[in-house]
Order: sequence, then C-alpha cells, then structure tokens
Amino acid sequence: ELKVEQNPLFLSMQEGKNYTIYCNYSTTSDRLYWYRQDPGKSLESLFVLLSNGAVKQEGRLMASLDTKARLSTLHITAAVHDLSATYFCAVDRDDKIIFGKGTRLHILP
Amino acid sequence: DGGITQSPKYLFRKEGQNVTLSCEQNLNHDAMYWYRQDPGQGLRLIYYSQIVNDFQKGDIAEGYSVSREKKESFPLTVTSAQKNPTAFYLCASSHPRGSRQPQHFGDGTRLSIL
Repeated sequence: ELKVEQNPLFLSMQEGKNYTIYCNYSTTSDRLYWYRQDPGKSLESLFVLLSNGAVKQEGRLMASLDTKARLSTLHITAAVHDLSATYFCAVDRDDKIIFGKGTRLHILP
Repeated sequence: DGGITQSPKYLFRKEGQNVTLSCEQNLNHDAMYWYRQDPGQGLRLIYYSQIVNDFQKGDIAEGYSVSREKKESFPLTVTSAQKNPTAFYLCASSHPRGSRQPQHFGDGTRLSIL
C-alpha cells in the first residue's frame, strides 16, 4: 500500500528565512506532484517531478525528487508572507494519486 | 475557459438523506477523481474513473457511490450509510497516466449535516 508522509505538518517561520518541507513515499513511483492550498480554497498545481534528480523552480520555491530515496523536497528561499498556505505532495501509482497530509506553512511578517 | 465546475458550493444533508454532488469538466480529460478533505487533514481518495462507464473504489468508498455515464461528468452521491459526511469534497480530473500532467481541481463542495 502506497503511503505518503510529509514533515513537518506545521511550520511557522519568519519572513526572509529559508526552510525545507520533506515528502517521503513508501513504494516506487515515477511521478510526484506538489500543490498549494489556500484556506477554504481548492488546490493549485505547483510542480510535477517526473524523474530521478528532477529539479524545478518557480520564484522562491524549488522542488526536487530522489526516486532512489523515495524523497522529494520543497525548498523555500527568503520566505514572504504571500507563501503562507498548506502545501501537499502527491504520488502517482497504479492510476491512483495519493496525497500526504499537507504542511501548513505560516510565515510571520 | 476550460475548467472543472463543482456544485453546489455548500450543501446540507438531513439524517437519512442521500445527496448528490455535481462535477463537470470541459478539459477533455479522461480521468476523474473524488477526494474528501477533513479539517487540517490531507485529501483521501473516494472513487476514481479512468474512462467512461468504468470506475474504481479509492481508500474510503464506503457510504459513497458514483457514476460515469459521460466523459464530462462524474457525480458523487453521499448516501445515508455515510455516518460522518461533514467534510470538504474536491473533484479533480487529469489526462491519462501517460501524459504526465497534474490533476486539475474544482473549487469544492462543503457538506454539512443539519
């Protein structure tokens, strides 16, 4: 059974700091997704990672994938308040897409 | 503009009542999904469908039913057998697995018990 674990589940950080969210998954998969959710809203796709060593960057967010370690990271550089949201990773296997519990990120001004 | 439309945005259910949540997409996606999200929790897969007239149970299918008679539509019925239906329900769609595209999500339906 595929399990997806994120940590931390809650993160409060100051503006301007760097931090990393981790996503571990239990079985092999060839694609991993990162999404953002604002309170009461739907999910917005951030990144799709398709191969070992894949790295994608958008603004202050950078995602990477290590399929051998079954680990993806979402790195936040010089955080700003607008990045406050819940971030989910999701893994695709056998036509099912399984989500982690999410990391609730709160950035203090 | 292409997208996924969920309706209604808010829904209230009485005891013993079945309710149906609508999900329509005009993205020409083959695959559609239903997720349940509880406060402070992740998304849990209820049902999914890769093709018209076919669907599979997800991790928490008990108390729910779906149909997929048209490519564009994937309604979810929350039956009276679902004893704790209060949650935020999200519908998603995507191209077939080989396309390697992310899911697109609707805006969700918030279901509460009266």
